[in-house]
Amino acid sequence: DTAVSQTPKYLVTQMGNDKSIKCEQNLGHDTMYWYKQDSKKFLKIMFSYNNKELIINETVPNRFSPKSPDKAHLNLHINSLELGDSAVYFCASSKNGENIQYFGAGTRLSVL
Amino acid sequence: AQSVTQLGSHVSVSEGALVLLRCNYSSSVPPYLFWYVQYPNQGLQLLLKYTSAATLVKGINGFEAEFKKSETSFHLTKPSAHMSDAAEYFCAVSEGNTGNQFYFGTGTSLTVIP
Repeated sequence: DTAVSQTPKYLVTQMGNDKSIKCEQNLGHDTMYWYKQDSKKFLKIMFSYNNKELIINETVPNRFSPKSPDKAHLNLHINSLELGDSAVYFCASSKNGENIQYFGAGTRLSVL
Repeated sequence: AQSVTQLGSHVSVSEGALVLLRCNYSSSVPPYLFWYVQYPNQGLQLLLKYTSAATLVKGINGFEAEFKKSETSFHLTKPSAHMSDAAEYFCAVSEGNTGNQFYFGTGTSLTVIP
């Protein structure tokens, strides 16, 4: 069973579209994260939710909106996609007190 | 403030040779330190972590790292490189609090030459 799963794995879309990426973890973890990895492999935190509450919100355009319906899910909705949004987006989760993050396989977003 | 610097964005070693990937950190509090590996088209997988116990940490696949506070370093080593070790390696630091932020280095791409 996949611990942290993201869908879709690949997403190709046109500029201006709205798209969502879903993330689910079956580890019983309390905290979930979204990272963006650019073409140079640099990983940057975007958001973090602990028990459905936003705790980290880095400087990210407000076109990006995370939604956590329950602590096992953290979805990422992106409005009005731009070319610069092309990247690999990683979801991760961690257990309170353990401080290890477990990563999904990533979603490769290409905006044309 | 915390940050991580990985020296050398690309490292090449011969199969069977020593692997040394460098990581230096800065942290205003005692750090938690991690090495992750990313194989092509996959997510990040934890190799090992340092959480203020033993300074020499052993991880999976024969890797180990040594925490040196005086040098603010956490270099990753493996005595003998294998072809399957070719991947991207990321060093990360965190404060150790619940749900806190990880700061990743820019990664080192390891190539193993047969």
